[in-house]
Amino acid sequence: DVQMTQSPSSLSASVGDRVTITCRASQSVSNYLNWYQQKPGKPPKVLIYTASNLQSGVPSRFSGSGSGTDFTLTISSLQPEDFATYYCQQSYDNPTFGQGTKLESK
Amino acid sequence: QVQLVQSGAEVKKPGASVKVSCKASGYTFSDYYLYWVRQAPGQGLEWLGWIDPNSGDKKYALKFQGRVTMTRDTSIGTAYMELGRLRSDDTAVYFCARVPSSYSPMDVWGQGTTVTVSS
Repeated sequence: DVQMTQSPSSLSASVGDRVTITCRASQSVSNYLNWYQQKPGKPPKVLIYTASNLQSGVPSRFSGSGSGTDFTLTISSLQPEDFATYYCQQSYDNPTFGQGTKLESK
Repeated sequence: QVQLVQSGAEVKKPGASVKVSCKASGYTFSDYYLYWVRQAPGQGLEWLGWIDPNSGDKKYALKFQGRVTMTRDTSIGTAYMELGRLRSDDTAVYFCARVPSSYSPMDVWGQGTTVTVSS
């Protein structure tokens, strides 16, 4: 299985900050990399698919980049509703997820 | 609207089996794969497998082969995931999720079903 490693595991930030989360795959997954946001007690919600495509309805402050093994999720200006846990997931092979990045209020 | 509605919470004893349902509405059931993913308390996300409602084809994660069975009933737009020989570390929230095609993201999720395994 392809192993996905996210960093950092947790992050403290303030409203208005620019936030970046990285995800590294143990082998190339081309651009088949998706990003999800999960809030407590809720299922994950897809934000970005195939590395850089914004899912319909997702605010444009979210963006994704990368290919091969290294990927980035960026939130350009953090909003109060963005405090959540974020997961990357590769869909190149049997799906695997990163361990998650918990974004907390500073 | 497009939604996946799962069955309610379950409490099972070690060694038993659990069967979780996932009812689709608002779209053509046979046009999308259904994936199953679980999340242990305070932990990350783990894929169990998928079923193609159109053909009935399925693929299971190696870790769960021999213990998991995925089925579907196209007449009522419902998929099922049965996990057998339950252990305490199977305690988790189990989600179903819709996937348009290979390489696609999981774009619609069920609300989750909590399965607790305890003696």
